[in-house]
Amino acid sequence: DGGITQSPKYLFRKEGQNVTLSCEQNLNHDAMYWYRQDPGQGLRLIYYSQIVNDFQKGDIAEGYSVSREKKESFPLTVTSAQKNPTAFYLCASSIAGANEQFFGPGTRLTVL
Amino acid sequence: SQKIEQNSEALNIQEGKTATLTCNYTNYSPAYLQWYRQDPGRGPVFLLLIRENEKEKRKERLKVTFDTTLKQSLFHITASQPADSATYLCALHASGGSYIPTFGRGTSLIVHP
Repeated sequence: DGGITQSPKYLFRKEGQNVTLSCEQNLNHDAMYWYRQDPGQGLRLIYYSQIVNDFQKGDIAEGYSVSREKKESFPLTVTSAQKNPTAFYLCASSIAGANEQFFGPGTRLTVL
Repeated sequence: SQKIEQNSEALNIQEGKTATLTCNYTNYSPAYLQWYRQDPGRGPVFLLLIRENEKEKRKERLKVTFDTTLKQSLFHITASQPADSATYLCALHASGGSYIPTFGRGTSLIVHP
């Protein structure tokens, strides 16, 4: 089955720790995205990548980092510099230049 | 500043009725607009896309309208069912070539049997 997966589904982090959220897709999409969703808020763009080995900051990139070493993978690291990391994180992919985005199931991160 | 507004209050309707959700925007020149469905704890799922030169788009029980004069899109679900209960997000793509959408906060729809 083609699709986009995220792991883990739930993640707990102690303050001061970095954590990495996984995102993998087998749709052969060039573009991948990371969004953050808070209760009652829209999706806010953290980072996006249009092609392997290239990525751009979104609206709220501070405290986050990404890599795009493979077309199918776009991991997100939430660093200790992110002051309020508790949120629902969504990864998406699309055909480059296309409109429709395909979303993963999300990772809910909680800082203890 | 650019703003996308969706009604933050949940829309409650009876099964069989038509649900109408609103997406208003300001200070945008959208090239096109999308609607997504999101169930609790899950990622959004694409439903429909409408371009600035299209007035209306349909897909089964779904209909989207786009009025660039009013700066508004309406999303209709006819013959609504309890399974249609979810949050519906609109997303705007500004003209100028960017394919990165900006999402609204979404409106929760609750269809009562």
